[in-house]
Amino acid sequence: GDSVTQMEGPVTLSEEAFLTINCTYTATGYPSLFWYVQYPGEGLQLLLKATKADDKGSNKGFEATYRKETTSFHLEKGSVQVSDSAVYFCALVKAAGNKLTFGGGTRVLVKP
Amino acid sequence: DTAVSQTPKYLVTQMGNDKSIKCEQNLGHDTMYWYKQDSKKFLKIMFSYNNKELIINETVPNRFSPKSPDKAHLNLHINSLELGDSAVYFCASSQGGNEKGTLHFGNGTRLTVT
Repeated sequence: GDSVTQMEGPVTLSEEAFLTINCTYTATGYPSLFWYVQYPGEGLQLLLKATKADDKGSNKGFEATYRKETTSFHLEKGSVQVSDSAVYFCALVKAAGNKLTFGGGTRVLVKP
Repeated sequence: DTAVSQTPKYLVTQMGNDKSIKCEQNLGHDTMYWYKQDSKKFLKIMFSYNNKELIINETVPNRFSPKSPDKAHLNLHINSLELGDSAVYFCASSQGGNEKGTLHFGNGTRLTVT
């Protein structure tokens, strides 16, 4: 079946450091890929998405590129802030389906 | 205005009780979902309704019963609560077509079964 694998956290960084969270997927066909963010005590929010190979999603300084050859969608940010501390989820949905499949989430903690 | 609202925010109850969680969305979306998030933050889809019709029904104990009186509401009723039901339950909604996969989540209901 479809699956999404993310690096386990927690990832602890200092402010202004570079952040990378790895995400790889297994799915047939051409899924759409997503990153969601969950701040403490809140529900998930869509951060960015990409719907086809080589697309780059970007938002709030975060970027991820849909790499079909490596089945990956790694999340990056060049300079993190304390306010980026959250849990980040990679997810996919298949073209013919309705179900969003999530990875296990990666907790990021940014220290001042 | 809150787009997806769920009540209550916290629910503490004893084993064996029956409880309900309510969800409403004012986004005009056709599809609504219930997800369960465990203590390790793992998210598992439970149910999905599209225009009041059940379209996703994952392997969930039949003590859990969703009800959608209209497309803006999706409630979750849980019978005979067990300790393992303790989790955060999220309601979400989405529009189909090109926005499929773009879910709008409520802030969750933290259920604690003692």
